[in-house]
Amino acid sequence: QSALTQPASVSGSPGQSITISCTGTSSDVGGYNYVSWYQQHPGKVPKLMIYAVTNRPSGVSDRFSGSRSANTASLTISGLQAEDEADYYCSSYTTSSTNVFGTGTKVTVL
Amino acid sequence: QLQLQESGPGLVKPSETLSLTCTVSGASLSSGRDYWDWIRQPPGKGLEWIGSIYFTGTTYYNPSLRSRVTMFVDTSKNQFSLNLSSVTAADAAVYYCGRRLNSLADPLDYWGQGTPVTVSS
Repeated sequence: QSALTQPASVSGSPGQSITISCTGTSSDVGGYNYVSWYQQHPGKVPKLMIYAVTNRPSGVSDRFSGSRSANTASLTISGLQAEDEADYYCSSYTTSSTNVFGTGTKVTVL
Repeated sequence: QLQLQESGPGLVKPSETLSLTCTVSGASLSSGRDYWDWIRQPPGKGLEWIGSIYFTGTTYYNPSLRSRVTMFVDTSKNQFSLNLSSVTAADAAVYYCGRRLNSLADPLDYWGQGTPVTVSS
């Protein structure tokens, strides 16, 4: 299975909003409401930020939001803060009863 | 509080089998509620899903690794394990174990700290 496609990097200034895309197919991203997003700071364990396309786990800032259109899911970070600088990965369940991660996006706060 | 801890050799020789174990505390593998995953991350690269196992022993593998991967569960020890055969340098990575609540489609809400594996003779 192929990894979901994400931009290699996205940057923004503090306070701005940025959006990270995650493109798959009708067999994964477009097929189910099972897209999740993970944040990973350097040397740290990934942290769940969004699940089921739009849902935030308890404790995750409401500055993080998710959406999907057809085969592309998106993560938006509003009011960008220095602590948001990290790598972000999308993931999706697939029609083959497997899971697949995205290629990852490095977010830089300018 | 659920905790997962990976263990196993940090160095494996090329062509040999990598064997790792994840010990779970704070939850019972045999509760039948959760799925248990292995994920890896090569140095400087992205995450790769390796596979999932249910307490019954039912497994789901990444198609690209299926021919070399075996996962199994030991409910008496509350552990699940990964074997990856015929390793090469491309298998060097930090290996994480994780938990999915309720179904294979649910997200990974708990992760172990990860264990680095080097492949070298």
